[in-house]
Amino acid sequence: AQSVTQPDIHITVSEGASLELRCNYSYGATPYLFWYVQSPGQGLQLLLKYFSGDTLVQGIKGFEAEFKRSQSSFNLRKPSVHWSDAAEYFCAVVTMDSSYKLIFGSGTRLLVRP
Amino acid sequence: DTEVTQTPKHLVMGMTNKKSLKCEQHMGHRAMYWYKQKAKKPPELMFVYSYEKLSINESVPSRFSPECPNSSLLNLHLHALQPEDSALYLCASSQEPPSGGITDTQYFGPGTRLTVL
Repeated sequence: AQSVTQPDIHITVSEGASLELRCNYSYGATPYLFWYVQSPGQGLQLLLKYFSGDTLVQGIKGFEAEFKRSQSSFNLRKPSVHWSDAAEYFCAVVTMDSSYKLIFGSGTRLLVRP
Repeated sequence: DTEVTQTPKHLVMGMTNKKSLKCEQHMGHRAMYWYKQKAKKPPELMFVYSYEKLSINESVPSRFSPECPNSSLLNLHLHALQPEDSALYLCASSQEPPSGGITDTQYFGPGTRLTVL
């Protein structure tokens, strides 16, 4: 079954520093991958998605992610973090069984130091 | 406009109460979803409605009863809940239901924070 793993439970970065959040997927073929962000007590907002094509995907709020088949990874990056980026980030994959459900990773909480 | 609205924002109920959560979207989406999210955990799928028909039930207890009165509205009826059902309940919608070769983006509402006493 398809799954995603987010190895980092918490990450702390200083404001203005660069950010990389890790996501590893398990699937033999090309998966459908997403990154969502959730501010405390809020719903999920889509940052970006990858279905096929260009492996570098641009999203909202200055985020980008790169699909690397050789590493089974879809890491999220931002060159300069703002305090408002502090939130929970979820990587997600669509299962390719008959249900095509969205399965989320366990999440990474981003803390931003002033 | 990619807005999904949910009411109420917060709900406190006793174990003998009956209450309902409401979700609405006016994007013409044909699939709607209920997710449950416990604290510090990822969302977990509960139900999927495709073209107003229930297509996926993730073995959810019968004390949760979904309803899709029309293509824009999704309800979740709650009855005889347990304290462990306290969670954030998220609604989402997508243009088309999930199917092979086509996976539409799901847009999420802000959620209803449910507390069962």
